Amino acid sequence: EVQLVQSGAEVKKPGESLKISCKGSGYSFTSYWIGWVRQMPGKGLEWMGIIYPGDSDTRYSPSFQGQVTISADKSISTAYLQWSSLKASDTAMYYCAREVTIFGADAFDIWGQGTMVTVSS
Amino acid sequence: EIVLTQSPGTLSLSPGERATLSCRASQSVSSSYLAWYQQKPGQAPRLLIYGASSRATGIPDRFSGSGSGTDFTLTISRLEPEDFAVYYCQQYGSSQGTFGQGTKLEIK
Repeated sequence: EVQLVQSGAEVKKPGESLKISCKGSGYSFTSYWIGWVRQMPGKGLEWMGIIYPGDSDTRYSPSFQGQVTISADKSISTAYLQWSSLKASDTAMYYCAREVTIFGADAFDIWGQGTMVTVSS
Repeated sequence: EIVLTQSPGTLSLSPGERATLSCRASQSVSSSYLAWYQQKPGQAPRLLIYGASSRATGIPDRFSGSGSGTDFTLTISRLEPEDFAVYYCQQYGSSQGTFGQGTKLEIK
């Protein structure tokens, strides 16, 4: 079964660092882009960025460039999203998703279950 | 960055009715890079439509997508109780992706 399994919920204080993970299984992890999507409480989806684990090519949304770092360790089929200094406004659900290309069309076909990050003093 | 604007914000309909959801882009989007997702409370989004008009695996044929350029539409021909959810369009072009703000489809 193709799946993405994300790390568990986190509660952090402002200023702390954090790295959450997304482990792929059931497919060739290095052959598909993995994207990260933010959903703040009660709000819509926001495209943060995307990484190709095969060569770590990474693209960021201008809104998130410099705010987070996306990385991947292909040896363990895992992608990461990290913060060096969290803010209360980083409180959100974070999803990873696999980008598939079907007859030349791209879309996120497999989603992780989400990781809730709460930042509060 | 391409901005996607969805309308209406909320759509109130009854089971059995037809739903038409709109997604308008601030500049032209390749149809290959326009997708629609459904999200129910407490769940991750689910891919419905890719390439503007192709149904993802397992998606019922009452869901259809159309459009090109800057105007795209998701149509649900006959609403079932399980279709009431939030729907998002998404584009990926020039190495950047964006989502629309979503349309909430609620039971009237």
